[in-house]
Amino acid sequence: DIVMTQSPDSLAVSLGERATINCKSSQSVLYSSNNENHLAWYQQKPGQPPKLLIYWAATRESGVPDRFSGSGSGTDFTLTISSLQAEDVAVYYCQQYYTTPPTFGGGTKVEIK
Amino acid sequence: QLQLQESGSGLVKPSQTLSLTCAVSGGSISSGAYSWSWIRQPPGKGLEWIGYVYHSGATYYNTSLESRATISIDTSKNQFSLRLSSVTAADTAVYYCARGGLTAYEYWGQGTLVTVSS
Repeated sequence: DIVMTQSPDSLAVSLGERATINCKSSQSVLYSSNNENHLAWYQQKPGQPPKLLIYWAATRESGVPDRFSGSGSGTDFTLTISSLQAEDVAVYYCQQYYTTPPTFGGGTKVEIK
Repeated sequence: QLQLQESGSGLVKPSQTLSLTCAVSGGSISSGAYSWSWIRQPPGKGLEWIGYVYHSGATYYNTSLESRATISIDTSKNQFSLRLSSVTAADTAVYYCARGGLTAYEYWGQGTLVTVSS
């Protein structure tokens, strides 16, 4: 199984400041046939299901604010919130869909400083 | 807009079988090459994939569940189901159904809490 490791476990950022979450996979999730990284990011607020933010490592889902961006390739990925808003307080997960079983990172809790 | 809704037993006794159904609306469960997944989240913890099913009936499971999970699909009712046998307290979790597997999970149900307790 591909192990997804997120860091940090939690972070506190001031409103309007940048938040950066890292995700590392135990093997590459770059699929050579389509040259895409099979990596997604989700946001989960209390009592709600996860919400897809980013897929193919860097493509924003429709309706997701452009302050959310994804980057990286191969085994190292980053989710950046460029200017943290109060409504961004949540737990964020990365997930690989390169191979079965699909696996999730352990989550990063984002709070307001 | 595709919608998914879980239903089933919220309280299950240890050693018994958990049964959940996911009703899909706003689209056909048979369309496209999508897979339909079950994912769970123990209270205060992260997400664990249980398995998925294709409209053909082909299934894939998390091997950590040691063959306790069975996922089936009923295209005539536009729904798919999960059965998890020999449950223990460790199976207490919010269970989600979602569309995806070897694609990102774009659509999720709201989740249903299943508690294993005598």
